[in-house]
Amino acid sequence: TQLLKQSPQFLSIQEGENLTVYCNSSSVFSSLQWYRQEPGEGPVLLVTVVTGGEVKKLKRLTFQFGDARKDSSLHITAAQPGDTGLYLCGGSNYKLTFGKGTLLTVNP
Amino acid sequence: EAQVTQNPRYLITVTGKKLTVTCSQNMNHEYMSWYRQDPGLGLRQIYYSMNVEVTDKGDVPEGYKVSRKEKRNFPLILESPSPNQTSLYFCASSLGDAGRVAFFGQGTRLTVV
Repeated sequence: TQLLKQSPQFLSIQEGENLTVYCNSSSVFSSLQWYRQEPGEGPVLLVTVVTGGEVKKLKRLTFQFGDARKDSSLHITAAQPGDTGLYLCGGSNYKLTFGKGTLLTVNP
Repeated sequence: EAQVTQNPRYLITVTGKKLTVTCSQNMNHEYMSWYRQDPGLGLRQIYYSMNVEVTDKGDVPEGYKVSRKEKRNFPLILESPSPNQTSLYFCASSLGDAGRVAFFGQGTRLTVV
């Protein structure tokens, strides 16, 4: 059973475009985290969202936690090649469960 | 610099030969965990530890052992590795909250032939 479903699985866009990736679940989480992972490296934490409806911004990245704390989205404005990577969401209750990720490629 | 250090980064071994992957963190975190990452399956938790001498199974513990004798170290032990344990392994740590992993190690790519 996949508790956290991320979509799309793959996304290839041109530099300068905007994009949104999603993390959905039928379960309620006490918090949700987003990570970015580059090939051969460990995931790096981008943000933790805790409150339903919460919106956090990190430069060109905007993270939103759903009101019911079951889903989240990550929006990137004016994507750059440096944004390329695997974006993972992790939902937390007593432990952290990960989605399978969205592999983003930003072409120059 | 705050970090989680795993060793080795790469390891090729033969079936049945016991091995240990070390993990050390310098942030005085209580919570540490091990994950494996496989194509199409994502990150899956193997074991976790809430504090010294407190460990518990994650989602895929079969074939693995862990110990937590000191706060900073959390080694992963494969007593008798098999080819289905070929994977990319990550150690992670966080302060207090079991569900919020703040730091991952750089990974250990294990191949069992």
